[in-house]
Amino acid sequence: GAVVSQHPSWVICKSGTSVKIECRSLDFQATTMFWYRQFPKQSLMLMATSNEGSKATYEQGVEKDKFLINHASLTLSTLTVTSAHPEDSSFYICSARGGTDYNEQFFGPGTRLTVL
Amino acid sequence: GQNIDQPTEMTATEGAIVQINCTYQTSGFNGLFWYQQHAGEAPTFLSYNVLDGLEEKGRFSSFLSRSKGYSYLLLKELQMKDSASYLCAVMDSNYQLIWGAGTKLIIKP
Repeated sequence: GAVVSQHPSWVICKSGTSVKIECRSLDFQATTMFWYRQFPKQSLMLMATSNEGSKATYEQGVEKDKFLINHASLTLSTLTVTSAHPEDSSFYICSARGGTDYNEQFFGPGTRLTVL
Repeated sequence: GQNIDQPTEMTATEGAIVQINCTYQTSGFNGLFWYQQHAGEAPTFLSYNVLDGLEEKGRFSSFLSRSKGYSYLLLKELQMKDSASYLCAVMDSNYQLIWGAGTKLIIKP
């Protein structure tokens, strides 16, 4: 199957700082990338959908000025958590859709963010 | 609204069989996915059903009935490593995945 990587796999930062998470599709071109957030013992919550070269579509309740998404190429999308606060501590997972099977989403390994 | 229902938690014994049910109501249907997620890890793909019937893949099988809005994941010959959360997700008419809350499966020796 297709491979999606995320970097970093975990990050600890101070409150008020910004954190950038990268999501890369390694062996296919991802026309669409998705960003999810998952709190402990809860299901995945879709934050936003991004298509290469266009602005991301954010889900209701997700602040687009706080969670900046850039999908500049067919293999890279970035999520920047600006002015992070402890309540932003969560597991952030990206997934990518593309390749030969349009319907399947391939997940990255996730990034665990802890804001002190 | 769109809704995916699956049990919160199930317990089964090593070597046994367990069936995890999922019912859905979505705007449009472009397939149903089952994912496995171990604690602290991202989901991994298990199965995809878009037509009615049973899809078998080793110890895991997935069934779909579109008319009933119903699917199940069947796990046979359970192993301790099968302890995980199992997520049901439906792709709607916009090709967006609608996720269930997941079923935590506990395997006991």
